[in-house]
Amino acid sequence: GQQVMQIPQYQHVQEGEDFTTYCNSSTTLSNIQWYKQRPGGHPVFLIQLVKSGEVKKQKRLTFQFGEAKKNSSLHITATQTTDVGTYFCAGDRGSTLGRLYFGRGTQLTVWP
Amino acid sequence: GAGVSQSPRYKVTKRGQDVTLRCDPISSHATLYWYQQALGQGPEFLTYFNYEAQPDKSGLPSDRFSAERPEGSISTLTIQRTEQRDSAMYRCASSLRIVGGPNTGELFFGEGSRLTVL
Repeated sequence: GQQVMQIPQYQHVQEGEDFTTYCNSSTTLSNIQWYKQRPGGHPVFLIQLVKSGEVKKQKRLTFQFGEAKKNSSLHITATQTTDVGTYFCAGDRGSTLGRLYFGRGTQLTVWP
Repeated sequence: GAGVSQSPRYKVTKRGQDVTLRCDPISSHATLYWYQQALGQGPEFLTYFNYEAQPDKSGLPSDRFSAERPEGSISTLTIQRTEQRDSAMYRCASSLRIVGGPNTGELFFGEGSRLTVL
C-alpha cells in the first residue's frame, strides 16, 4: 500500500513558471530522498534530507523537510524545458528496514 | 562496472512461463534492491540484499517471485508461472548502504527490464 503520498500527480507549466510537488508520510521518516525520472529513463538521485526542518538548494531547486519529518517539498523556480520528467520522493523509515517507500510521483510538463 | 546493468531490457513471454531477470550492480555496492514499477506509478519495493543475505523479502507479491544473490554480487529475480498482472518494469538498484547504518543511502538504478506477459 501507499506509505508516502505525493501530490499533484500531474503539473503542466509554461516555461519560466514555478513548480512545487509535495510529499507526505503517515509515519515519521529517518530521511527523505528525491529522484528525477526523465521520460523513458530511470530514477536518478537528486538529494537526501535528514534533519528536521532542513532546507537544501541546488541551483533553481529547493528541497524542504518538515519539522515533524513527515512531509517534504520540492520547489523549482523558473522552470525550463530541461526540467521535464517525473519527480519522486522516497521515504526511509530507517536502519534495519532497508527499504525506500516511493511516492507515486509528479509528472512535470513544461511547454515553451 | 561503472553503473547498474540489467538484462534483458525487454522480455515478452506467454502466461504460465517462467522468466529470470538479471542485475549486475555497481561493484563496490553491498546493498542491492529489486523494485517493480507499473506505468505511471512510483517504484514498489520487492526485496533487498546485503551482500548475499536477504533481510527483507516482504514486498514480493507471491511465492511465484524469488530472488537470489548467491555470491553477493550479481542478482537474479525469477517469476514462475507468469501472469498478465506481472507485466511491469522491474528495476534493480544498488547502494553503498553500510550494514547497520542509519540510512538507506542514495540508490543507483539500472535501466530496468520491461516484462510483458501475453
